[in-house]
Amino acid sequence: QAVVTQEPSLTVSPGGTVTLTCGSSTGAVTSGHYPYWFQQKPGQAPRTLIYDTSNKHSWTPARFSGSLLGGKAALTLSGAQPEDEAEYYCLLSYSGAYVFGTGTKVTVL
Amino acid sequence: EVQLEESGGGLVKPGGSLRLSCAASGFTFSYYNMIWVRQAPGKGLEWVSSIRSSSSYIYYADSVKGRFTISRDNAKNSLYLQMNSLRAEDTAMYYCARGGRDGYTPRDYWGQGTLVTVSS
Repeated sequence: QAVVTQEPSLTVSPGGTVTLTCGSSTGAVTSGHYPYWFQQKPGQAPRTLIYDTSNKHSWTPARFSGSLLGGKAALTLSGAQPEDEAEYYCLLSYSGAYVFGTGTKVTVL
Repeated sequence: EVQLEESGGGLVKPGGSLRLSCAASGFTFSYYNMIWVRQAPGKGLEWVSSIRSSSSYIYYADSVKGRFTISRDNAKNSLYLQMNSLRAEDTAMYYCARGGRDGYTPRDYWGQGTLVTVSS
């Protein structure tokens, strides 16, 4: 089974920009992995932010964006807010198997 | 308003069984693929199983294959997860989530979860 790797933790200043990445042990991440991004705050269910690399939901703040960057999936947060402090997970698809990333704890400080 | 509500969690002994349910409302349940995801205490998310809207395609994580069975009843707007031969490592919060009409990943809505504890 593939292993999907994320940065364990990142810190961003309020109003600053941070990029989270999502890599695959099988090689470069492509649009064919249909990358997803989820946000989870303590004690809450996950929330889907981004699907199929870069598509947003109506509830996804405009400051979040998804892309492919250097062979990985990426989630960029531009103009970080205190309420963005959370755990972020990516998810990649592998032909009938689906693997979550290890998660990135984002601190806004 | 789309709602997903899990139930059926609880304390069970190793080797035991449990059936989780997910009641869906606010959308045409029979149109959407559905997913189970779990999260062990203090750990990350783990995909468990996905089922097509018509039940014609079903997928399982290797960690649960042969022990868990996903099913759905479109007439009752309900998703199920039958869990047999439970192990301590199955202890987790179990979430149901709605997929897309053609995808097997949690596209948008999630339930609040139901806690399963496997312990003697």
